[in-house]
Amino acid sequence: DQQVKQNSPSLSVQEGRISILNCDYTNSMFDYFLWYKKYPAEGPTFLISISSIKDKNEDGRFTVFLNKSAKHLSLHIVPSQPGDSAVYFCAAGGWDKIIFGKGTRLHILP
Amino acid sequence: EAGVAQSPRYKIIEKRQSVAFWCNPISGHATLYWYQQILGQGPKLLIQFQNNGVVDDSQLPKDRFSAERLKGVDSTLKIQPAKLEDSAVYLCASSLDLELATGEQFFGPGTRLTVL
Repeated sequence: DQQVKQNSPSLSVQEGRISILNCDYTNSMFDYFLWYKKYPAEGPTFLISISSIKDKNEDGRFTVFLNKSAKHLSLHIVPSQPGDSAVYFCAAGGWDKIIFGKGTRLHILP
Repeated sequence: EAGVAQSPRYKIIEKRQSVAFWCNPISGHATLYWYQQILGQGPKLLIQFQNNGVVDDSQLPKDRFSAERLKGVDSTLKIQPAKLEDSAVYLCASSLDLELATGEQFFGPGTRLTVL
């Protein structure tokens, strides 16, 4: 029973364009949502998060949007750069732990 | 600031053998997590410590997996005996405390286990 779903295993985007990664969740009790980025042979690194009381959080090129009624969040990367090529994990959490999605592999094309 | 350290980075064993992984979290981080990441999946929490006490081990296969954090700092995760399906990357993470208001956890590089 997947509580956090990333339905696109991979995504290819031209350098300089916008990358949009999507995530759906099933548990309306989650308090906050996070995105982690992972390069090969490294552990995930925290990218950006959003509290359930907000609908948007922005940090430089990265913006996360939360639609609670649809139980959906998305990560926008603008403009996309070659170094953004990685696996992106969506995660959702309550007070004690977070649950990760399966990840989306983002390829930034030259 | 030093990150989360894990060793070994890679381990190959035969099924039914035993294996142990070590983790040293970021200094001052009270909460430590062990995750299992199977190929193509997201990290799955195995066990969570707050200082040297277990907060959540509901997804730890206790018949074969064990973990300890005796002095509230570094931790070991053991598998005994290993099965083929235990092949995965084992990630250790730490955070400042149990209050996950920001949710940020800091991950180590992981140990890739292959069970033959």
